[in-house]
Amino acid sequence: EVQLVESGGGLVQPGRSLKLSCVASGFTFNNYWMTWTRQAPGKGLEWVASITNTGGSTYYLDSVKGRFTISRDNAKSTLYLQMNSLRSEDTATYYCTRDGATVDAWGQGASVTVSS
Amino acid sequence: DIVMTQSPFSLAVSEGEMVTINCKSSQSLLSSGNQKNYLAWYQQKPGQSPKLLIYYASTRQSGVPDRFIGSGSGTDFTLTISDVQAEDLADYYCLQHYSYPLTFGSGTKLEIK
Repeated sequence: EVQLVESGGGLVQPGRSLKLSCVASGFTFNNYWMTWTRQAPGKGLEWVASITNTGGSTYYLDSVKGRFTISRDNAKSTLYLQMNSLRSEDTATYYCTRDGATVDAWGQGASVTVSS
Repeated sequence: DIVMTQSPFSLAVSEGEMVTINCKSSQSLLSSGNQKNYLAWYQQKPGQSPKLLIYYASTRQSGVPDRFIGSGSGTDFTLTISDVQAEDLADYYCLQHYSYPLTFGSGTKLEIK
């Protein structure tokens, strides 16, 4: 069974940093591209960033480019999202997702609240 | 960026009825290389993570009931739910995965009368 378990969320002040982690199991992690997708409270889904299976290439939403960094450790089957210079508009549940033919598996989400 | 226009915003139906949800993309999602449309549909029940229903516009994900049907090609796509059940109460989203940035439709809230 595919499992994606996020951690690292919490309450953080504007301008500060937070790092999310996602531990994957139930599939061969280094065969898949991975993605972070977020959902602001009461709002729709928004793609944030993706990374190739080797980690050699990354893709970002324009509004997070230069502030967020997606990375992975294939030896630990773990995906990361380093979030710097956080803004109130980054408040959301962040989902770790697997990219198969499409975004085909989702974690339970990590809640990030940016507020003073 | 590809813009996904999803409609309606919400709808309310009785059990046993049929519903259609539409998604229109600002450019074609059809790959000339493999003739696949890079369009997926997701269901998000209250308090849960999204779940993949349909990919490549019409391929049902394993375990998804056959009352969920995806159709369309190019720029116009439809999710049809026949014989709606109370358990289908959820938000539904389309996603284009043809090019980055990946973009979702704004969502459709399905309510059961």
